[in-house]
Amino acid sequence: GAVVSQHPSRVICKSGTSVKIECRSLDFQATTMFWYRQFPKKSLMLMATSNEGSKATYEQGVEKDKFLINHASLTLSTLTVTSAHPEDSSFYICSARDRNLQFFGPGTRLTVL
Amino acid sequence: QKEVEQDPGPLSVPEGAIVSLNCTYSNSAFQYFMWYRQYSRKGPELLMYTYSSGNKEDGRFTAQVDKSSKYISLFIRDSQPSDSATYLCAMCSYNTDKLIFGTGTRLQVFP
Repeated sequence: GAVVSQHPSRVICKSGTSVKIECRSLDFQATTMFWYRQFPKKSLMLMATSNEGSKATYEQGVEKDKFLINHASLTLSTLTVTSAHPEDSSFYICSARDRNLQFFGPGTRLTVL
Repeated sequence: QKEVEQDPGPLSVPEGAIVSLNCTYSNSAFQYFMWYRQYSRKGPELLMYTYSSGNKEDGRFTAQVDKSSKYISLFIRDSQPSDSATYLCAMCSYNTDKLIFGTGTRLQVFP
């Protein structure tokens, strides 16, 4: 149980385009999901907390207009990186909360050329 | 001072060794303590979860929490090359969803 999927696993895009990443809880409902960013050999950096049916809560320093989050259902949250630039290249990981625990997706590697 | 401190390693041990991974923390409000394993280019996988102080064992893994010392440990017995990964400690307090992570310790088990 407690399986979280992410799609796509890898994406390469041109500078200026927008990229959408999906996060799904496959066998449980998650009212709360989280989006993280991870740089090579670094720990996870929380970007935002996504609550179903309400606006996401962004961490300090994270641009909400740059990283659009939608949590339209109890099993799906999406992160859209708008007008992506090379500095947005990173490993993006979502997690979903089940009771008091967080279960992570496999991650999405974004490369912006 | 960071809220959670974890030695980044790398820690290199021979197959069969007992591995000890540790984290210290400063926030006495932390109540939930987790250990995640992360393989290269993958998402973290929940290994162990402990509430408050005490020990918990699951197969070759034992998690310990000492709240008086603000110190948590993960022991791996009979370590295997497949245990080679980065191990992240994480914790949170009762009234928040946010996990605070350590930097992760990279473990390498060689045959």
